[in-house]
Amino acid sequence: EAGVTQSPTHLIKTRGQQVTLRCSPISGHTSVYWYQQALGLGLQFLLWYDEGEERNRGNFPPRFSGRQFPNYSSELNVNALELEDSALYLCASVQTMGRQPQHFGDGTRLSIL
Amino acid sequence: QKEVEQNSGPLSVPEGAIASLNCTYSDRVSQSFFWYRQYSGKSPELIMSIYSNGDKEDGRFTAQLNKASQYVSLLIRDSQPSDSATYLCAVRTSGGSNYKLTFGKGTLLTVNP
Repeated sequence: EAGVTQSPTHLIKTRGQQVTLRCSPISGHTSVYWYQQALGLGLQFLLWYDEGEERNRGNFPPRFSGRQFPNYSSELNVNALELEDSALYLCASVQTMGRQPQHFGDGTRLSIL
Repeated sequence: QKEVEQNSGPLSVPEGAIASLNCTYSDRVSQSFFWYRQYSGKSPELIMSIYSNGDKEDGRFTAQLNKASQYVSLLIRDSQPSDSATYLCAVRTSGGSNYKLTFGKGTLLTVNP
């Protein structure tokens, strides 16, 4: 069974640019979560999508947005990039029902110059 | 604010010793508890799930849950240098359809050869 896949692996951008990160969940998983992990910090919850709808978002500005497609894959968009956006962005998927754990992709390392 | 607390460490143990990692949580209705291992620069990897009071063993790992004390722990027996990583405690903080995991900031474990 394929795991959660994320692309790209690494990105280098400059301040003010925009970026799109992509995530494909495990087959059968309908929920996708996005997290930001800045260097040396814990996982910060960004967004939760389930069945194509945004269900919850963390304490991040509106320039962080995303969507979920009918095949349950998801995109995270970040506009007007700032230096502090440099981080590992992690996507996780889970079956909506039940008590199952989240499974993480390998992440996208975003560096802002 | 529903919180998950962990000692940040670092926790340093000699090879072959037992490493004990602790976690407390604030939401009394939490039902699902997970331990993830995260190597530096990598994504979190699920190592244990526990849902009921008591102990759950999987190889060298034992998770312990005490809902009355709102406490969950992870024991690693016969610690190996390859166990050196940050261990994240995660708690499902609400029931029903509002599936959200809250992560602790993690405990850095170092196993010395």
